[in-house]
Amino acid sequence: DAGVIQSPRHEVTEMGQEVTLRCKPISGHNSLFWYRQTMMRGLELLIYFNNNVPIDDSGMPEDRFSAKMPNASFSTLKIQPSEPRDSAVYFCASSLGDRGGGQPQHFGDGTRLSIL
Amino acid sequence: AQSVTQLGSHVSVSEGALVLLRCNYSSSVPPYLFWYVQYPNQGLQLLLKYTTGATLVKGINGFEAEFKKSETSFHLTKPSAHMSDAAEYFCAVSFYGNNRLAFGKGNQVVVIP
Repeated sequence: DAGVIQSPRHEVTEMGQEVTLRCKPISGHNSLFWYRQTMMRGLELLIYFNNNVPIDDSGMPEDRFSAKMPNASFSTLKIQPSEPRDSAVYFCASSLGDRGGGQPQHFGDGTRLSIL
Repeated sequence: AQSVTQLGSHVSVSEGALVLLRCNYSSSVPPYLFWYVQYPNQGLQLLLKYTTGATLVKGINGFEAEFKKSETSFHLTKPSAHMSDAAEYFCAVSFYGNNRLAFGKGNQVVVIP
């Protein structure tokens, strides 16, 4: 079975440019999570969706960050304008979210973002 | 607030020796508990989970963990470390009705030949 698919795997761009990260969750999963991982701050939850609806975006660092989930099989995380401090690995994860809890999250391989 | 504590960011273990990674959680309600492993340049991969039932849980790659409610712990063990076990390990917790996972800060495991 296909896992969570993220693209691109690597992105290098200059400060001020718009960056769009993409995620395809596992088919049938109805919860989707975006994380950011850095050496300094570890793994941080940015936002999560349930049935395509954003439930908690309290982890989104600034208004420069936005996320959408137009349908059950696709989500984007956008940074505009990008800054060097946004450099990190961004992970998408999905899970079955309507079973009362205890469902593991399945992670993609991440997008390594470098802002110059 | 619920949280997860993993002590010791870096853990060194000799090849063939016991691997023991400690995880403690704080919660007033029964938890669901997870261990994940992250290899370099990869995402997190589920090692094992505890939801209900047997408190000793076996996972992939020879790892197991035991849920001890009285100690609020879910320590991860493997009897004999292999070089391929070098990775970062995360403990995580969630609760009924909540899809979010709260992660510990992780343990970077180094296996010494």
